[in-house]
Amino acid sequence: QSALTQPPSASGSPGQSVTISCTGTSSDVGGYNYVSWYQQHPGKAPKLMIYEVTKRPSGVPDRFSGSKSGNTASLTVSGLQAEDEADYYCSSYAGSNNGVFGTGTKVTVL
Amino acid sequence: EVRLVESGGDLVQPGGSLRLSCAASGFTFSTYWMNWVRQAPGKGLEWVANIDQDGRAKHYVDSVRGRFTISRDNAKNSLYLQLSSLRAEDTAVYYCAREIWGNPDYWGQGTLVTVSS
Repeated sequence: QSALTQPPSASGSPGQSVTISCTGTSSDVGGYNYVSWYQQHPGKAPKLMIYEVTKRPSGVPDRFSGSKSGNTASLTVSGLQAEDEADYYCSSYAGSNNGVFGTGTKVTVL
Repeated sequence: EVRLVESGGDLVQPGGSLRLSCAASGFTFSTYWMNWVRQAPGKGLEWVANIDQDGRAKHYVDSVRGRFTISRDNAKNSLYLQLSSLRAEDTAVYYCAREIWGNPDYWGQGTLVTVSS
């Protein structure tokens, strides 16, 4: 199973929006509505930010939103804040009780 | 509150073995698939293995198949990963994670495995 493709980096100024893409295939992202997004700060465990493409767990700010079109899922962070600077990873169900992660995107708040 | 606590990480020589444990609490452990995910220093996340609720179905990434064994003890709310024939490229933080529809939702804090002579 090949990793999902994410841009290595993305950036924005405080208050702006940034969108991260996650491209897979019809066997993973395009085939199921089971895409998740994680935020990881240095030295910390990943934290679930979005699940089932668009849903936010309790406690995650509504500045974080997810979407999907075809084989590409996206995470948008609106109203960027300094604490949003982190690495972000997508993951998708890929059938047969397997999942696959994205390559990761480092978000910098300028 | 869902809690996952890994232990067992250590410095081990190439070719050696290690057993990682994950203690789960705050949810009905026996009703969830569970995962091990690893992250090499400065690298991205890599799914390693998962196991079904009963411990019968197990899946592994190709690079560890035949060397690592995932198991669970539902009576003890615990997940395990037996690592054997360890290589330098297995050096990573190993995370225990609860799974829902192929994706982790809750993660432990991780345990570091270093393979070096």
